[in-house]
Amino acid sequence: GAGVSQTPSNKVTEKGKYVELRCDPISGHTALYWYRQSLGQGPEFLIYFQGTGAADDSGLPNDRFFAVRPEGSVSTLKIQRTERGDSAVYLCASSFGQGNSPLHFGNGTRLTVT
Amino acid sequence: DAKTTQPPSMDCAEGRAANLPCNHSTISGNEYVYWYRQIHSQGPQYIIHGLKNNETNEMASLIITEDRKSSTLILPHATLRDTAVYYCIVSPTNSNSGYALNFGKGTSLLVTP
Repeated sequence: GAGVSQTPSNKVTEKGKYVELRCDPISGHTALYWYRQSLGQGPEFLIYFQGTGAADDSGLPNDRFFAVRPEGSVSTLKIQRTERGDSAVYLCASSFGQGNSPLHFGNGTRLTVT
Repeated sequence: DAKTTQPPSMDCAEGRAANLPCNHSTISGNEYVYWYRQIHSQGPQYIIHGLKNNETNEMASLIITEDRKSSTLILPHATLRDTAVYYCIVSPTNSNSGYALNFGKGTSLLVTP
């Protein structure tokens, strides 16, 4: 079946611009996660949704980052006033949201801020 | 959440078993051990998980010590396509704040011909 889909696969933007990254989770998965991965590092947790609500946003680095999941399916990660330090691969994952349900990841969006 | 310790890199000859160790000495009784891997330019891929007992699936085997303070992921016949970064993660079985996994730096496994 279809896996987690992330669009675009690559995004280049100028410093100060606004960007939106989209995630289409696996159908039926109630939990959705956003991670960020810098070169040579493991994925770093940003935010977790259970249904439509953000159950844990403790990983968002600052208030320039925001994410929504209005209908409990597709999610959008929004970054305002981008900075060069925001350049990274942004990964999305989904799961059934139970204790032993594995996370299924997309291949990420590579964001480059020039 | 309990932290894990893994060697930064390992080599393995193609066709041989790859044994990847992980130390999680502060694991608590309600935490699973998960293994994921990440092939270059792809998202992490779930491999296997366990609580107390050893586990096996079509990809790998997971051996957890009796005291649960360490585990080993075994790829029985490594192929070149198994070259990847392998992450060992512990995660609670029951949480009110989700099951977000805390990845470390993992072990970079290189399978050589």
